Amino acid sequence: AQTVTQSQPEMSVQEAETVTLSCTYDTSENNYYLFWYKQPPSRQMILVIRQEAYKQQNATENRFSVNFQKAAKSFSLKISDSQLGDTAMYFCASTGANSKLTFGKGITLSVRP
Amino acid sequence: DVKVTQSSRYLVKRTGEKVFLECVQDMDHENMFWYRQDPGLGLRLIYFSYDVKMKEKGDIPEGYSVSREKKERFSLILESASTNQTSMYLCASSLMRRMGATEAFFGQGTRLTVV
Repeated sequence: AQTVTQSQPEMSVQEAETVTLSCTYDTSENNYYLFWYKQPPSRQMILVIRQEAYKQQNATENRFSVNFQKAAKSFSLKISDSQLGDTAMYFCASTGANSKLTFGKGITLSVRP
Repeated sequence: DVKVTQSSRYLVKRTGEKVFLECVQDMDHENMFWYRQDPGLGLRLIYFSYDVKMKEKGDIPEGYSVSREKKERFSLILESASTNQTSMYLCASSLMRRMGATEAFFGQGTRLTVV
């Protein structure tokens, strides 16, 4: 079974600053994927970034990067140069060989102008 | 682009009604999922399907059933709607690879209110 934990319910950041969203997970599998999803107020869920567990290198997508600590089962998301459009709920998720996609409870991020 | 379409954005149903939520994806994905989203609880998996006519219970299947007769369509059924099933319902699909499923693509969600 997989579990995903996001312990911070909400965060706030000043525009142009950097913010890190935390996530821990637990899984018994060796091969799995980790994801960060974004859900803006319009509510369409979209993928921000993904990490394959067997890859050592942390994934990066423009202003978004992850800090993947496999031994610690930690998967945090760093948003650099925060923009107003980054205001959204962010969900951490994991999936394994059984295809079941498990989400954390999410964190509400507010970017202040 | 992958498109996942849910049949309704908003639904209002009466207690005891049988409710069908429909979801269609156009990218030949093997996996399809139904989640409900409630404030403070995140996304909770109701059911998922990894092939036609195949289904597995998620974390909260009670009061729900599903149907997948065709690969592109995954239906969620509330046999007898109750007020505690008022929620946002999200459908998703993903491609199956040898090492596991890839990222999921989501529909726009259905806000169901049971009165």
